[in-house]
Amino acid sequence: EPEVTQTPSHQVTQMGQEVILRCVPISNHLYFYWYRQILGQKVEFLVSFYNNEISEKSEIFDDQFSVERPDGSNFTLKIRSTKLEDSAMYFCASSLQGADTEAFFGQGTRLTVV
Amino acid sequence: GDSVTQMEGPVTLSEEAFLTINCTYTATGYPSLFWYVQYPGEGLQLLLKATKADDKGSNKGFEATYRKETTSFHLEKGSVQVSDSAVYFCALRGLTGGGNKLTFGTGTQLKVEL
Repeated sequence: EPEVTQTPSHQVTQMGQEVILRCVPISNHLYFYWYRQILGQKVEFLVSFYNNEISEKSEIFDDQFSVERPDGSNFTLKIRSTKLEDSAMYFCASSLQGADTEAFFGQGTRLTVV
Repeated sequence: GDSVTQMEGPVTLSEEAFLTINCTYTATGYPSLFWYVQYPGEGLQLLLKATKADDKGSNKGFEATYRKETTSFHLEKGSVQVSDSAVYFCALRGLTGGGNKLTFGTGTQLKVEL
């Protein structure tokens, strides 16, 4: 069964460093998303991406964040200069279309900023 | 803005007990409502959904009914199994923006013991 895969499963980084979280969405999907969950808090929407551009982003997704689809298979989230409060579980998701289609999620990358 | 509130966990039950996980929402209009489940080490998986008032979503013995009058979507199962141990997330997809953003609750951990 097709699935969304994320790497790495756990990343530890020093404050101020750049990190790139990687995702391979399901191959025929057209919409891609990043969500995050800070420990004990809600899963929060960060950004959606379609047709090689951001279609929607939350107020969390500031200039420190960027997304890219560098080739036909990967979808990445870059955090330019990590802060302690960026520590969270980051989930990638993809869907065949936008509204009214199921979003499939990866297993998450736990980012720890020290 | 849109929001989802679900009961805090962990919820610990004996096998074959009845399960209810409460979920209420705040949204404009008639959002679609979802329950996602996350088993240990895996991604979020869609468990069931309902797209309009009074719809009942069901899957794997779990049920939830879209109650517009109480803005609720409580998850129920008549007889839980140890294999149901997981984290359960209530979510909605609102009508604002591109319509493909999910708003989640905090998740409720369920532990089922023999």
